[in-house]
Amino acid sequence: NAGVTQTPKFQVLKTGQSMTLQCAQDMNHEYMSWYRQDPGMGLRLIHYSVGAGITDQGEVPNGYNVSRSTTEDFPLRLLSAAPSQTSVYFCASSPRTDRGLSYEQYFGPGTRLTVT
Amino acid sequence: GDSVTQMEGPVTLSEEAFLTINCTYTATGYPSLFWYVQYPGEGLQLLLKATKADDKGSNKGFEATYRKETTSFHLEKGSVQVSDSAVYFCALGPSGGYNKLIFGAGTRLAVHP
Repeated sequence: NAGVTQTPKFQVLKTGQSMTLQCAQDMNHEYMSWYRQDPGMGLRLIHYSVGAGITDQGEVPNGYNVSRSTTEDFPLRLLSAAPSQTSVYFCASSPRTDRGLSYEQYFGPGTRLTVT
Repeated sequence: GDSVTQMEGPVTLSEEAFLTINCTYTATGYPSLFWYVQYPGEGLQLLLKATKADDKGSNKGFEATYRKETTSFHLEKGSVQVSDSAVYFCALGPSGGYNKLIFGAGTRLAVHP
């Protein structure tokens, strides 16, 4: 298993440009999420999905869109990039257990995004 | 709302020294608690967990005990190695059936030979 994969690893955008960060997992996990990591702030949840066709907002959703058409893929779209979106973005997934969705999350390697 | 507070870093230690990284939390109900580790250039990995009061999580020589009376989940290791150099995140999984983890700010550990 490849686990959770993210592309690209690095990206530089100009203000106002749009792009999609890709995330895929091959573990058949129901739950997927996107976080951003900023210095001194830990990880903050952007959007999450509890299954194909179901998405919801996290703590910092403004400026980002998501969709979940398949179990495997959970892309994150920046519609009009702003310098405040300069960050490292992590995708994560977790399985369903007998007790419901698991808190144990499996993280991708991250995408470092710079917006100038 | 629920939150996690970690000691600020960086923490710099010599090899074989004792490590403690403090973590306290605020939460309603009975959350689950986690420590994640991030090695340079990589994503986060689950290090250990505890799901109820007085549980002790352990892995790779690291330990943490879920203390409800002090709302703490401090990470300890008796003898650190250079390979333990990483950023350590304390995280909380709120009770109530939602698995939206709440992370602390992270503590960077640097271990020197």
